[in-house]
Amino acid sequence: DSGVTQTPKHLITATGQRVTLRCSPRSGDLSVYWYQQSLDQGLQFLIQYYNGEERAKGNILERFSAQQFPDLHSELNLSSLELGDSALYFCASSVAPGGNYGYTFGSGTRLTVV
Amino acid sequence: ILNVEQSPQSLHVQEGDSTNFTCSFPSSNFYALHWYRWETAKSPEALFVMTLNGDEKKKGRISATLNTKEGYSYLYIKGSQPEDSATYLCAFSGSARQLTFGSGTQLTVLP
Repeated sequence: DSGVTQTPKHLITATGQRVTLRCSPRSGDLSVYWYQQSLDQGLQFLIQYYNGEERAKGNILERFSAQQFPDLHSELNLSSLELGDSALYFCASSVAPGGNYGYTFGSGTRLTVV
Repeated sequence: ILNVEQSPQSLHVQEGDSTNFTCSFPSSNFYALHWYRWETAKSPEALFVMTLNGDEKKKGRISATLNTKEGYSYLYIKGSQPEDSATYLCAFSGSARQLTFGSGTQLTVLP
């Protein structure tokens, strides 16, 4: 157990639907990151939060949004789902932003859009 | 778009062999270079975070070096064991302070 908790582990949903992925960071970590891994692709950075505030955005679609709550857990909302959104979504956390600290990854949520 | 390249893409070695892989990254605006080990059906696990040119890190049989001026890092595994089989990812952090991952080197150690 890495200390980063992601739920659910698996999600199957239909096109056009909306889902919410949840992440609880490791205790003491203030930064949360979301990554997407599609088939045959590497880890693609989506978005970063630090202590409740958005810090950086990567290749995140407009249909996707995220937030970090006062208790530091984060949620990634995916709407108007398309087949191509099927992927493994990872959450990671670190003590602080900036890259000086290693990331601790959760076990991921596998999303299948049918 | 930042280019983080890893080579080779995959590698098969015999148990006991030593091996190394390369990570190439932009040599400008360097902030940090990370290495992660990713076993199948698990999540990536941090091996090293390196920030200074010439940094060398070691953890057991695994070590890494860093050359920020020319934009490369090497990961070495001495005396590979079957349990070293995994995908090894490097990730670059530049002025934007975000981690950009390479696509990894998939290592298979044959008993």
